[in-house]
Order: sequence, then C-alpha cells, then structure tokens
Amino acid sequence: DVKVTQSSRYLVKRTGEKVFLECVQDMDHENMFWYRQDPGLGLRLIYFSYDVKMKEKGDIPEGYSVSREKKERFSLILESASTNQTSMYLCASSRAGGETQYFGPGTRLLVL
Amino acid sequence: QKEVEQNSGPLSVPEGAIASLNCTYSDRGSQSFFWYRQYSGKSPELIMSIYSNGDKEDGRFTAQLNKASQYVSLLIRDSQPSDSATYLCAVNIVVRSGGSYIPTFGRGTSLIVHP
Repeated sequence: DVKVTQSSRYLVKRTGEKVFLECVQDMDHENMFWYRQDPGLGLRLIYFSYDVKMKEKGDIPEGYSVSREKKERFSLILESASTNQTSMYLCASSRAGGETQYFGPGTRLLVL
Repeated sequence: QKEVEQNSGPLSVPEGAIASLNCTYSDRGSQSFFWYRQYSGKSPELIMSIYSNGDKEDGRFTAQLNKASQYVSLLIRDSQPSDSATYLCAVNIVVRSGGSYIPTFGRGTSLIVHP
C-alpha cells in the first residue's frame, strides 16, 4: 500500500512563528505536492516538486516555501505564520507522468 | 488560468437511486481525469481515473469522458448512505517546465444519499 504520512495532524502556532510541515512517502514517487483546503475554496496547490531539489510554484505560493532534499520527503515552510494561513494542509505524491495522487491524512493548522 | 468547474451542490438523492456528478474543464490539452471522494474530515481518495473518450465502469461507479465537449462525469448506481461525501474532479494539466503535469481540482460536489 502507498503510504503518505504528515508530521502532525493538528498544530497550533502563534502569529509570526516559523512553521514546518513535513511529508514523507514510501513509494519512490517522483512528484510531490502541497495543497491547502478551505471551505468553499476547494483544494489549492501551493507548491509541487517533480524531482529532488526541484520545486515549482502552484496557484498560491505567497507566504510559503518548500524544500525537497530527499526524494521521499517534501517540507512546507511558513516563514512567518499569519492568521490567514489557518487551514487544512494536504500533502500528496504521484509517479511521474500525471498519475493518480495519494494523499496524506492532512495537518489542521491553527494560527492564533 | 486553467479551470475545472463543478456544481457545489449539495446533490441529494434517495438511497438506491443513480447519482450523477458533472465536471467541465477548460484545457483542451488535458489527458488524464480523476474522480476523488472525500469524507468529512478525511483526505481525498481515488475512485476512478479515465483517459479515453467513452465510459469506464468499476462496480457501482461509471466515469464518462467526452473530450470534444470537455466534460467528465461520474455516475453512482444504487447509491448508498455511505456514498455521502464530497466528490472532487481533477484534471492533469500540462505545464511547460519539465514537461510535467500538475493536477487541477474542481471545488467538489457534495453528495447526500438519504435513506
């Protein structure tokens, strides 16, 4: 079974803190993705990566950065958390070539 | 901006009926199409993928693709209360950098199957 894990299910942070969300997949997938999901807005792509050390901006990259030093791990960084970054964050992975995505369980982040 | 459009619903159907979920997309170059189901508080999981025009059946689910009309649908036969969830349509859109694909999701349709 494909497994995508995320470092935390729930996270509470203060405004201005630096926040790290980690995602690990065990299927040797080339592609990895970070989304946020908000009611009424659906899934919005923040960043994606199709290879180690490669990254591409998605639809809403502002306020976020990412790191992919190893193939299995993709980190999302909130440099200075703000209240409008309170959301559900979902990581996903897929093989190269536009295949099915497998999602992690999500991290519900609350920024106070 | 490449778009994927879905009716947000909710779509309410009685148990045992056929539920029909629809999705349109704007990028004519799209080649891969997916339906994901998402239960409340959970992450999306794949139900069906479809790549060619026509119908693809898997159990109670049928995906239909019409590339000329840029339309993809999901039919759920013999709907059950356990099918109540949000259904997300996803289309893989070609990006120039690296020749890779990125997925674009619709906002989802909420389905309620009532006993």
